[in-house]
Amino acid sequence: QVQLVQSGAEVKKPGASVKVSCKASGYTFTSYGISWVRQAPGQGLEWMGWISAYNGNTNYVQKLQGRVTMTTDTSTSTAYMELRSLRSDDTAVYYCARYSSGWYPIDYWGQGTLVTVSS
Amino acid sequence: EIVLTQSPGTLSLSPGERATLSCRASQSVSSNYLAWYQQKPGQAPRLLIYGASSRATGIPDRFSGSGSGTDFTLTISRLEPEDFAVYYCQQYGSSPQLTFGGGTKVEIK
Repeated sequence: QVQLVQSGAEVKKPGASVKVSCKASGYTFTSYGISWVRQAPGQGLEWMGWISAYNGNTNYVQKLQGRVTMTTDTSTSTAYMELRSLRSDDTAVYYCARYSSGWYPIDYWGQGTLVTVSS
Repeated sequence: EIVLTQSPGTLSLSPGERATLSCRASQSVSSNYLAWYQQKPGQAPRLLIYGASSRATGIPDRFSGSGSGTDFTLTISRLEPEDFAVYYCQQYGSSPQLTFGGGTKVEIK
């Protein structure tokens, strides 16, 4: 069965960086992309960007351009999301999700990783 | 960027009642690539509807989606206790750029 297993919760200080991992199993990793979505406490879902696991092409939401980098390691079927220059309003649950960038939307989600930014 | 506006923000209903949720797009959603997700507290979202009206695998038939262009609707024909949750619409027609609506909370009256 398809599974996306994310790394554990993080606590960071403002200005630091965080790197969240997402290990995929149960499907051919390079046949899909990975989207990253975050959710601030009590708020809605915010799409952050997408990476193709096939060729590494990326597409980021404009507001995070320059602060976010998404990568994949096809040898371990793992996707990574790094966010730099953290601010308090980056405190959120970060989800990875499988997305083919085609006619079918995001279908499988990781369990989420809580990132807390606090001095 | 396509902006999705969901209404109402909160829907207070009783089990057995019909729920009608709206999602309006700021511009036409290409190929009606509009999805609906259900999210319960502490859980990741779950895909309910894709392509505006197709149910995802394992989704009960009390959930239905309709609409096209800029106006879309999710209907839950008879609310079950497990249906009280937050629902989000998402457009994926401008793939790989995705956007989500702000959500509608369906709460027990």
